Amino acid sequence: GAVVSQHPSRVICKSGTSVKIECRSLDFQATTMFWYRQFPKQSLMLMATSNEGSKATYEQGVEKDKFLINHASLTLSTLTVTSAHPEDSSFYICSASGQGAYEQYFGPGTRLTVT
Amino acid sequence: QKEVEQDPGPLSVPEGAIVSLNCTYSNSAFQYFMWYRQYSRKGPELLMYTYSSGNKEDGRFTAQVDKSSKYISLFIRDSQPSDSATYLCALSGGYQKVTFGTGTKLQVIP
Repeated sequence: GAVVSQHPSRVICKSGTSVKIECRSLDFQATTMFWYRQFPKQSLMLMATSNEGSKATYEQGVEKDKFLINHASLTLSTLTVTSAHPEDSSFYICSASGQGAYEQYFGPGTRLTVT
Repeated sequence: QKEVEQDPGPLSVPEGAIVSLNCTYSNSAFQYFMWYRQYSRKGPELLMYTYSSGNKEDGRFTAQVDKSSKYISLFIRDSQPSDSATYLCALSGGYQKVTFGTGTKLQVIP
């Protein structure tokens, strides 16, 4: 099956700093990438959808200036959490979908802890 | 009413049992149906996907879709302790956006 990697798997940062998370599709071209957030024992919450070369579409309630998403190539998307605060601590997961496909392939997730 | 309803469980079964996981949905625009398995602290893993009513089998897993009843199921035969995870149904209307169920936590007891 399609493989999606995410880096880093875990990051701890201080409040006020920015953190960048990378999402890569390793064996297919991801025309669309998605970023999710997941709180403990809860389901996935879609944050934004990004198509290669276009601006990301953010879900209602997600601050686009705080969660910067870049999808510069067909294999790489990045999520930057700017001026992170403890309430941003969460599990962030990306997924990728190929041209015309509806199924998404997920990365392993990134555990962010803001102290 | 939520677009997708899924019993959160937890569901505990003995090893070897047949497991039935289910989701109901209200939006008839959903045409694509997927099941994901998520282990704790990991990203979801795509198990099966289908777009038609009926059954689709892959090893010990069978996905069943009944569009007329807006009901989908995932059956796991000969369940193993390694099947213990959270199972999420996911539905799409074909415009890339996918709606996920809340997930059912399954525990298979040796």
